[in-house]
Amino acid sequence: EAGVAQSPRYKIIEKRQSVAFWCNPISGHATLYWYQQILGQGPKLLIQFQNNGVVDDSQLPKDRFSAERLKGVDSTLKIQPAKLEDSAVYLCASSLGLRGGGYSEAFFGQGTRLTVV
Amino acid sequence: GESVGLHLPTLSVQEGDNSIINCAYSNSASDYFIWYKQESGKGPQFIIDIRSNMDKRQGQRVTVLLNKTVKHLSLQIAATQPGDSAVYFCALNSGNTPLVFGKGTRLSVIA
Repeated sequence: EAGVAQSPRYKIIEKRQSVAFWCNPISGHATLYWYQQILGQGPKLLIQFQNNGVVDDSQLPKDRFSAERLKGVDSTLKIQPAKLEDSAVYLCASSLGLRGGGYSEAFFGQGTRLTVV
Repeated sequence: GESVGLHLPTLSVQEGDNSIINCAYSNSASDYFIWYKQESGKGPQFIIDIRSNMDKRQGQRVTVLLNKTVKHLSLQIAATQPGDSAVYFCALNSGNTPLVFGKGTRLSVIA
């Protein structure tokens, strides 16, 4: 079974530039997550999708971050303009997303390491 | 609100010894408790989970213990191997909410 695919693996940009990350979840997984992981910390949720609808984006800095999941499969996360503090690994994860809610195992991609200089 | 904490940021163990990684939590309404392993340059990888109505669950070389009275979770790794070197995160799930991760413990295995 193919895992969660993310691209690019690495990205270096200057502050105030824009950047986009792409995620292809495991086939059939209805739920997709974007997490931000700052060096030395645990992943922090940015946004959760159920199919193509947003379930939770309460921790997404909406003045600069945006995400979409058109057609309920692939997703993109964009940062515009980037700040130095956005330097982190951006992880995409997917899960089956059970009907009626509840826990189902989340599978993570390898992440995109963003460095803002 | 939810918060997850780790007792020790780093743990060094001799190859072949048992490892114990601890985690404290505050949200007593959590339904599932999950341990993830993250190797350098990779995303977190699921190890084992335990439901809130259980106090112990065993996997291959790993055991998770849940003490709801003191809101404490631990991961025990038997016969620790060099390949176990990684950062270990505990994570909580409550109903439909996404996983909340702790800060992690770095496990170093000394050969």
